Amino acid sequence: QQKVQQSPESLIVPEGGMASLNCTFSDRNSQYFWWYRQHSGEGPKALMSIFSNGDKKEGRFTAHLNKASLHVSLHIKDSQPSDSALYFCAVITSGGNYKPTFGKGTSLVVHP
Amino acid sequence: EAGVTQSPRYAVLQEGQAVSFWCDPISGHDTLYWYQQPRDQGPQLLVYFRDEAVIDNSQLPSDRFSAVRPKGTNSTLKIQSAKQGDTATYLCASSFNNYEQYFGPGTRLTVL
Repeated sequence: QQKVQQSPESLIVPEGGMASLNCTFSDRNSQYFWWYRQHSGEGPKALMSIFSNGDKKEGRFTAHLNKASLHVSLHIKDSQPSDSALYFCAVITSGGNYKPTFGKGTSLVVHP
Repeated sequence: EAGVTQSPRYAVLQEGQAVSFWCDPISGHDTLYWYQQPRDQGPQLLVYFRDEAVIDNSQLPSDRFSAVRPKGTNSTLKIQSAKQGDTATYLCASSFNNYEQYFGPGTRLTVL
């Protein structure tokens, strides 16, 4: 059964700083990787996806995937107080069913 | 475009009572997911459907939980005889062709 672990559990960065979030997974058949963000009282919202090894940049957000190392990360440049939220890594296995597994999350606080 | 809607938004029960949650996905989305999210944890997949068919319900406590999506559109998740350990937020999400998941706001359940 797929195991998805995120680190750190919580992270505090100053406004304008860089936040780095990590995610490891166990199933080598994992195919698709998403980062979701959840503000208090809301459902999670997709931030970005990455499907191929390497880096993918969208604005201030950069995702990095290394399937051989079973590792995916998210880096947030120039962090803003509005980035304060829970961040989840979601891993989708292939094989026809595309079953999603979420990590437990990283709580990010950006202080002004 | 309307998002995923869920009702009720809150529910408070005594142990042993039953409760049903309702979800209306985004029109045209073929896949519907139900998650349980304990406080300060990640969403844990309970069951998901493609159209009206159950794809995976291996993490649904089958003795007390049931879920249906009879016409491949709306869905209902029911808990018979709720326990204190069921206290959590129940999230519904939908997607098209296994791509990005769109989440509803969730139903916050408290079992006393």
